[in-house]
Parts: sequence; C-alpha cells; structure tokens
Amino acid sequence: AQSVAQPEDQVNVAEGNPLTVKCTYSVSGNPYLFWYVQYPNRGLQFLLKYITGDNLVKGSYGFEAEFNKSQTSFHLKKPSALVSDSALYFCAVRDFYSSASKIIFGSGTRLSIRP
Amino acid sequence: GAVVSQHPSRVICKSGTSVKIECRSLDFQATTMFWYRQFPKQSLMLMATSNEGSKATYEQGVEKDKFLINHASLTLSTLTVTSAHPEDSSFYICSARDPLIAGSSYNEQFFGPGTRLTVL
Repeated sequence: AQSVAQPEDQVNVAEGNPLTVKCTYSVSGNPYLFWYVQYPNRGLQFLLKYITGDNLVKGSYGFEAEFNKSQTSFHLKKPSALVSDSALYFCAVRDFYSSASKIIFGSGTRLSIRP
Repeated sequence: GAVVSQHPSRVICKSGTSVKIECRSLDFQATTMFWYRQFPKQSLMLMATSNEGSKATYEQGVEKDKFLINHASLTLSTLTVTSAHPEDSSFYICSARDPLIAGSSYNEQFFGPGTRLTVL
C-alpha cells in the first residue's frame, strides 16, 4: 500500500531561519508526491508536487521540496521562515492502485514560527 | 486554480437530526469528488469517493447508511450525516479533480474550505 510518514508532530523555528518539514514515503512504482498546507479552520491549499524530472521542486509561498529516491524522502523546505508560515502541513501521495487514484495523507506536522 | 466551495461552513445540530453538506466545483466539472473527515489535530481520513451518476465508493469502516453521498451532477456532491451523534462532530472536507486538465490524474486535487459540524 502507498503511504507517507511525517515523523514530527511539531516543528518550531525562529523567523528568518531555514525550515525543514520531513516526509518519507513508501510506494510501489513511481511516487507522485504532494505537499499541502492547512490554516486554522480552513481547507487544504496545494503547495507543490513531484511527478518526475528535477529532484528539487519549487512551489508556492517560497517553499520547495527535495525528492530523494535513495532515502525515500520528500522533505519540505524554505530558506527563510515567516511567522505567517505557521500552519499545519501535510505530505501526501497519489495511490494509483486505488480505483480513483486517491490521495493518501500523512499525519501532518504543525509548523510554528516564532518572531 | 480551480475553486471548490462547501456549504455550510459551520453547522450545529441536535443529536438525532440529519445534516446535509454541499460541495460544489465552481469553475470546472468534476466527475469524481472525495469526502474527507478530520478530527482535531489529526490528518484527513478519506471517507468515500463520489462518482457522478453512480454510487459512492466508501472506505473500510465508513458506514454508508450513515454518511449518504449523492453526486447528481458534475458540479455538485452532497454528504448527508443521518441521525447525527456527538461523535460525528468533526471537520468535513471535500475535494475534486478536474478531468479536463491534461494529466489530471497526476495533478493535485482541489479542496473545499471545509465544514465544521458540531452535534450537541
């Protein structure tokens, strides 16, 4: 079964510092990976995706993610954190073996940026 | 990007009543919509896949008679929580894909803003 794991429930970073939110995946075949962000009482917003090509994927709001096949990881990164980046982040994978190619979400990581 | 709306955004109801949540794709037609449930500080759990013109496909452990899904048109799917109980209180989120976007099976899903259900 396709799955993603987010080992950290919470990540705390000072504003202006680089941030990393970790994600590892377990898939059969080629992975199709996503990052989403959720602000309080809101739906999910798409940040970026990896399908094929360059291992470094650039997305919205200055975020990027690095696909690492040997480590089966897809960590989300940003060079300089903003207080407004504080939110809940979900890593996800497309399960092509399901009838509707549904998206499977990780457990989520709460990112807190302190001023 | 494509826009998905949900109505209502927040609903409070008494135990035993039924509540209907609407999910609409505003600027595209969605043959497939997804319904997720999210408990506080937890991830999104897929409840069911809604297919236009056919029966929904429910995930294991989700009671189809309790969570009725109807996808009567290409822009509207509804989730009805029947005989709601306090344990049904949760944040319900719908999602849709636009089949006309090239390679949409490989693309992101568009998510609605969610509906907060509180059952008293």
